[in-house]
Amino acid sequence: QKEVEQDPGPLSVPEGAIVSLNCTYSNSAFQYFMWYRQYSRKGPELLMYTYSSGNKEDGRFTAQVDKSSKYISLFIRDSQPSDSATYLCAMSATYGGATNKLIFGTGTLLAVQP
Amino acid sequence: GAVVSQHPSRVICKSGTSVKIECRSLDFQATTMFWYRQFPKQSLMLMATSNEGSKATYEQGVEKDKFLINHASLTLSTLTVTSAHPEDSSFYICSAAAVEGYEQYFGPGTRLTVT
Repeated sequence: QKEVEQDPGPLSVPEGAIVSLNCTYSNSAFQYFMWYRQYSRKGPELLMYTYSSGNKEDGRFTAQVDKSSKYISLFIRDSQPSDSATYLCAMSATYGGATNKLIFGTGTLLAVQP
Repeated sequence: GAVVSQHPSRVICKSGTSVKIECRSLDFQATTMFWYRQFPKQSLMLMATSNEGSKATYEQGVEKDKFLINHASLTLSTLTVTSAHPEDSSFYICSAAAVEGYEQYFGPGTRLTVT
């Protein structure tokens, strides 16, 4: 079993839709949860970072973490064609410097249709 | 924001040759740099962690004699793929963590094709 599971998609939605992206994990030691956006042939860009359980909102993006269920989500409101990319979840048991070992999901390919 | 560059962005080499990839933090000092490999439609897999001035720590299954990592300064780390084979063809991405910070900033990646 992979430490982090993520549906690879592709996920296609119309412009303006609410998008829900999810990851599950098996390692209860994970405390730091991140969502990255990766455009084709580019490096990942950090979108959201959450520590432990709870919600975090930043503009059109909301990240949720449910540690009891080992489940994290990223919601995108009013999706735009420019949101079309691969979204990767990543997790770590520690944060900072050399101990910051990130475990990534496979990524979900999102296409927002105009 | 913090910027990390990689050079080259794409490289094609013949089987048996060596290829060097550079990773630079342009506007901050990075005590730690990470090297990842990403195969098509797969996750980023951490290959090794390097700290400035010390030997890199390799992940299980990654051959340290094949993937040579040098972190000579706080702004530069290099990955050398020695005696490259077609199965080494992949997308190699580096990231850097700032001295006082925690976030990893990723480079744009290097597409390596071994023929």
